[in-house]
Amino acid sequence: QKEVEQNSGPLSVPEGAIASLNCTYSDRGSQSFFWYRQYSGKSPELIMFIYSNGDKEDGRFTAQLNKASQYVSLLIRDSQPSDSATYLCAVNQGGSEKLVFGKGTKLTVNP
Amino acid sequence: DAGITQSPRHKVTETGTPVTLRCHQTENHRYMYWYRQDPGHGLRLIHYSYGVKDTDKGEVSDGYSVSRSKTEDFLLTLESATSSQTSVYFCAISEVWGTGSGEQYFGPGTRLTVT
Repeated sequence: QKEVEQNSGPLSVPEGAIASLNCTYSDRGSQSFFWYRQYSGKSPELIMFIYSNGDKEDGRFTAQLNKASQYVSLLIRDSQPSDSATYLCAVNQGGSEKLVFGKGTKLTVNP
Repeated sequence: DAGITQSPRHKVTETGTPVTLRCHQTENHRYMYWYRQDPGHGLRLIHYSYGVKDTDKGEVSDGYSVSRSKTEDFLLTLESATSSQTSVYFCAISEVWGTGSGEQYFGPGTRLTVT
């Protein structure tokens, strides 16, 4: 089983700071990378996806991918208390349509 | 929001009884997935479907079966429920183009308790 590793946290940042979430994966054949946000008691919500090396920005969110290092990250700028949630990294398995999820990093943004 | 519904949303059942969970989509997406989510394990794939009557196993398929007779419906059946199947079950849908995986969108989940 291919693995996706995330720091479990919890990660705590003050309001307005940059939150940095990291993820490593073991399958070099992976081609698609996703970040989901999950509030307590709710379903995962897709917030970013990235397919190519480099950075991809969407509002306050930036996803970064480095396939050589098998590393993907999510930066959240100007963090807000409403960003407090668990963030899940997901990677497609062997270039297939199946995803493998990390166990998630719990983020708390303190007012 | 993606048009995905799950039913029931909550269910309590006894050990040894069969249980069927339903996922319904209005997006006409080809791919549908069933996951379970447990503390300490994260989201794990149970079964998935890549078309009507086309299904395959995921990481934790033992004790589960699925069926897809229509594009919009994907059923997950616990043949004889056990306490270890107490979990939150999520359905997801996606389309796939080119190589790799398209984005998956999740339903609201079903909380199942087996007593």
